[in-house]
Amino acid sequence: GAGVSQSPSNKVTEKGKDVELRCDPISGHTALYWYRQSLGQGLEFLIYFQGNSAPDKSGLPSDRFSAERTGGSVSTLTIQRTQQEDSAVYLCASSLVSLVGDTQYFGPGTRLTVL
Amino acid sequence: AQTVTQSQPEMSVQEAETVTLSCTYDTSENNYYLFWYKQPPSRQMILVIRQEAYKQQNATENRFSVNFQKAAKSFSLKISDSQLGDTAMYFCAFMKHENAGNMLTFGGGTRLMVKP
Repeated sequence: GAGVSQSPSNKVTEKGKDVELRCDPISGHTALYWYRQSLGQGLEFLIYFQGNSAPDKSGLPSDRFSAERTGGSVSTLTIQRTQQEDSAVYLCASSLVSLVGDTQYFGPGTRLTVL
Repeated sequence: AQTVTQSQPEMSVQEAETVTLSCTYDTSENNYYLFWYKQPPSRQMILVIRQEAYKQQNATENRFSVNFQKAAKSFSLKISDSQLGDTAMYFCAFMKHENAGNMLTFGGGTRLMVKP
């Protein structure tokens, strides 16, 4: 079946612009995760959704970052007023349920470059 | 908070030979899971192998096996009969249940180059 998909694959934007990154999880997966991969910080967890709700948003690096998930499926990560330090690869993952130990399946990521 | 350390930023191995990637972690938890993920240049993170901390038996998946030493908090990955397609970044990751679901905490990665 289809894996996790993300769009766009690459995004170049100017400092101060808003961007939206999209994630389509594997069909039927109820848990969805966003991670950020950057040269300076490595791989870091951003936010998790169980269904449409995000119980813990403390991983988001600033209030310029927000995320939503609708219909228990597609998720959008929005970055407002982008800064150069937001440049990174944003990875999305999904798992069947949110039981500990469930394997997370990753998408190919969106490479964001802020000029 | 958990930390995961991969002490080898880069490694290389000749095709068909065996290589071991190191990973150590720090936790006060007793029940948790450990993973090795592979990230080729395509950026797609691919699960290589998974280990449940309460199981003493080391996990194996074809040419990939782990040496899990719970007391030492060590989780190394052995790749046997290395192939050119094994060239990638390898990340060790730790998981336990928290408020943030089952977030993965990753190590810094090891870049593996398989040479012909």
